[in-house]
Amino acid sequence: EAAVTQSPRNKVTVTGGNVTLSCRQTNSHNYMYWYRQDTGHGLRLIHYSYGAGNLQIGDVPDGYKATRTTQEDFFLLLELASPSQTSLYFCASSDPPGLGGAEQFFGPGTRLTVL
Amino acid sequence: GDSVTQTEGPVTVSESESLIINCTYSATSIAYPNLFWYVRYPGEGLQLLLKVITAGQKGSSRGFEATYNKETTSFHLQKASVQESDSAVYYCALGHSGGSNAKLTFGKGTKLSVKS
Repeated sequence: EAAVTQSPRNKVTVTGGNVTLSCRQTNSHNYMYWYRQDTGHGLRLIHYSYGAGNLQIGDVPDGYKATRTTQEDFFLLLELASPSQTSLYFCASSDPPGLGGAEQFFGPGTRLTVL
Repeated sequence: GDSVTQTEGPVTVSESESLIINCTYSATSIAYPNLFWYVRYPGEGLQLLLKVITAGQKGSSRGFEATYNKETTSFHLQKASVQESDSAVYYCALGHSGGSNAKLTFGKGTKLSVKS
């Protein structure tokens, strides 16, 4: 069954810490996305990718790096974590939009707390 | 830029009552926007509830309906009779049609609680 998985599901770190969030999709999709979800803001796009080795900057990229190592795997890196990055992070994948639009398939989320 | 505005939550409705969650959009960079409703149940990721890609058309799923109204730039979500299992967060989203731009613009989400 096609799926998007994320790890870890929960993470606590300290200010200045180094965090890597992982995402794997088995949908054979070319496109992958990282979002953060905060109360009062909805989902905001951090980075996205059109394929292995490709990286596109989203709407709220500051403080985040990302790397797409394979078609399946997309990583979000916080090299100097700050309390403002405490959030719920979602990964998603999709096909190109085509004429019918592109449904995005989401992982279950990673809750990150930066103390 | 593109934006989506939806009913601010939380919204509390009694079981078997009707529901409407308002959604309006502004698609300044999208010639032919596609419209989506996603739902997030507790502890899960978002999943597509319904989508409509053509203005004037209606989408429906699990008893929910939404009509894409280009004149009023609206895509309100409605259900005639809600159930406790409908308790979730609902997101309206706007996307592109065709080309390579698969970005979605999401509203802030509306948390729905259905009480028995």
